[in-house]
Amino acid sequence: KQEVTQIPAALSVPEGENLVLNCSFTDSAIYNLQWFRQDPGKGLTSLLLIQSSQREQTSGRLNASLDKSSGRSTLYIAASQPGDSATYLCAVSRGSARQLTFGSGTQLTVLP
Amino acid sequence: ETGVTQTPRHLVMGMTNKKSLKCEQHLGHNAMYWYKQSAKKPLELMFVYNFKEQTENNSVPSRFSPECPNSSHLFLHLHTLQPEDSALYLCASSQEIPWGLNTEAFFGQGTRLTVV
Repeated sequence: KQEVTQIPAALSVPEGENLVLNCSFTDSAIYNLQWFRQDPGKGLTSLLLIQSSQREQTSGRLNASLDKSSGRSTLYIAASQPGDSATYLCAVSRGSARQLTFGSGTQLTVLP
Repeated sequence: ETGVTQTPRHLVMGMTNKKSLKCEQHLGHNAMYWYKQSAKKPLELMFVYNFKEQTENNSVPSRFSPECPNSSHLFLHLHTLQPEDSALYLCASSQEIPWGLNTEAFFGQGTRLTVV
């Protein structure tokens, strides 16, 4: 059974810092990995999708890397802003229907 | 607008009530999903529909009954729920492509369900 772990569970940083969020998964037979953002009480917003054949994806200040063989992914956020405060979720796609298995998330607070 | 719309956004129901959650996707996707998000727990997959056919039921109690009349609409029918079923219920869709590649999953804003 696939298990996804995100470390740290919570992170508080001053504005302007660069930061890294970590995600690990136990079964490397994945189709893709997706990073999401969730604001309190809201749905999920997709940030980046990395196919299993790719090593990284970039979007603006965000960069996600994937090392499938070691079961790890990182989300790098450059020059953090208070508006980045949210919970960041990592999910891996598995199974015949490509459904996602989620980690518990990292709750990020960027202090002004 | 994410392309996936869920209604209602909030729902309070008694344990003897029957209600339904609705999800509609405007993205032309062929797969739709129901997830449950409880406090302090990871999102849990409940049901998967591919081309309107249910392909996975993740050991969900029968008091939750999904319906997928077409590839754009997904319902979750609720009856005789328990207080522990209170949670955020999220709908998602994606485009399943053969040979292991697939598009991003897009989520709706969720329905906050409270069972009293």
